[in-house]
Amino acid sequence: GAVVSQHPSRVICKSGTSVKIECRSLDFQATTMFWYRQFPKKSLMLMATSNEGSKATYEQGVEKDKFLINHASLTLSTLTVTSAHPEDSSFYICSAGGGPGSAFFGQGTRLTVV
Amino acid sequence: KQEVTQIPAALSVPEGENLVLNCSFTDSAIYNLQWFRQDPGKGLTSLLLIQSSQREQTSGRLNASLDKSSGRSTLYIAASQPGDSATYLCAVRSNSGNTPLVFGKGTRLSVIA
Repeated sequence: GAVVSQHPSRVICKSGTSVKIECRSLDFQATTMFWYRQFPKKSLMLMATSNEGSKATYEQGVEKDKFLINHASLTLSTLTVTSAHPEDSSFYICSAGGGPGSAFFGQGTRLTVV
Repeated sequence: KQEVTQIPAALSVPEGENLVLNCSFTDSAIYNLQWFRQDPGKGLTSLLLIQSSQREQTSGRLNASLDKSSGRSTLYIAASQPGDSATYLCAVRSNSGNTPLVFGKGTRLSVIA
């Protein structure tokens, strides 16, 4: 079945630095990918929709200048958390695919900002 | 705006029991509904996908039902095992396009040996 690969799976960074998370579709092309965030004991919440070749669409309350999304090819979307702060510590996960079939999710990235 | 609710939030059962997890959604105009399993600190594993035209799907010991008109789905787990311990997430998609999922908060299941 379709596979979505996400890395890193875990990252610890210092406050004020930037972190890049990659999401790749391994055996299919994805013109659209979705980025979700999950805080402890909360549900996954959509952050943004990544569109190949165009600007990402951000959900209300998500700062586009802080969470930079680049979808430069049909198999890769990246999420960069810029000037990370401890409150950005969360579980970030991407997905691709959908339509008649199921959505495929990456393994997720646990970000800890210290 | 679609909202998905899962009940109970947490459940602890002895090994071997059959159990039911509940999911409800506010907007019945969905395209499909998907059940996932999430282990602590891990990504999502898709368990069952039900299209809006379907009433149920089965995979091994798992059976998911869908009553679209009433905005409800259930996940039935037969003969539970300690390895079933995880958080179970219900999610709905609103249309056939490449749209994101709306998730419930999940049910945290513990199966005690």
